[in-house]
Amino acid sequence: DTGVSQDPRHKITKRGQNVTFRCDPISEHNRLYWYRQTLGQGPEFLTYFQNEAQLEKSRLLSDRFSAERPKGSFSTLEIQRTEQGDSAMYLCASSFPGSYNEQFFGPGTRLTVL
Amino acid sequence: ELKVEQNPLFLSMQEGKNYTIYCNYSTTSDRLYWYRQDPGKSLESLFVLLSNGAVKQEGRLMASLDTKARLSTLHITAAVHDLSATYFCLAGDAGNNRKLIWGLGTSLAVNP
Repeated sequence: DTGVSQDPRHKITKRGQNVTFRCDPISEHNRLYWYRQTLGQGPEFLTYFQNEAQLEKSRLLSDRFSAERPKGSFSTLEIQRTEQGDSAMYLCASSFPGSYNEQFFGPGTRLTVL
Repeated sequence: ELKVEQNPLFLSMQEGKNYTIYCNYSTTSDRLYWYRQDPGKSLESLFVLLSNGAVKQEGRLMASLDTKARLSTLHITAAVHDLSATYFCLAGDAGNNRKLIWGLGTSLAVNP
C-alpha cells in the first residue's frame, strides 16, 4: 500500500454541475477525513468517518455536500449544483487510532468551477 | 476552546541561516503535530510530539514540545532552498481524540 489516493486529481466543471470525488485510504486505517483548502489558507475540516459511520460534519458542509463511506473503505465526496466558491483543493486523510491519530494525506483533488 | 497560533506567518531567510517557528496553543493538548506542504501539493507529516520535553529531529529540522508553556518550536538549522514550503502546526484536543486544531501555517522562503 503506497498511501492515500484520490481521484481525480483535477476537475474542471461548470457552475451548477454535480461532481464526485473518491478517496482510498491506507488499507488498515479506519478513520477517514475530508478537508477543503483554498489558496493561501490552511485546510478546513469538512467531515470525518470512523469505519462506515460519519461521526462529525462541519457547518461548512452545506446541504449541497454529501459524503459516504459505504463499506468502511473508500469514501466519496459529492458536491451538487457547484458554485464558483466551491473552487478549492479537496484533501482526504486517513489515520489509525493506535498511531496517535497521525493523519496521512492524499494528493488532493483540485476543483475549478467556471 | 483549543486555539493554535503560529508565528511568524511568513518567513524569508537566507541559505545557511538558523531560525525558529513558534506554535502556541491555548488549552490542554495531548499531542502536537508538524506538517509540511509544498506549493500546490498535499501535506506531509513531519513530527508527532506526545509528551513534555519531547524532541524529534529529521535532517535540518528539529521539533520540541513544552506542555507547561503550551509551546512547540520547529527549529531550522542551516537552511537550504529545499526547505521552502508552508509548515503547519496542529494540536490535538485532549477532550476529543479525533479533533485536531490547525495553526494558520508559516510560509517559509529560503533564498540563496
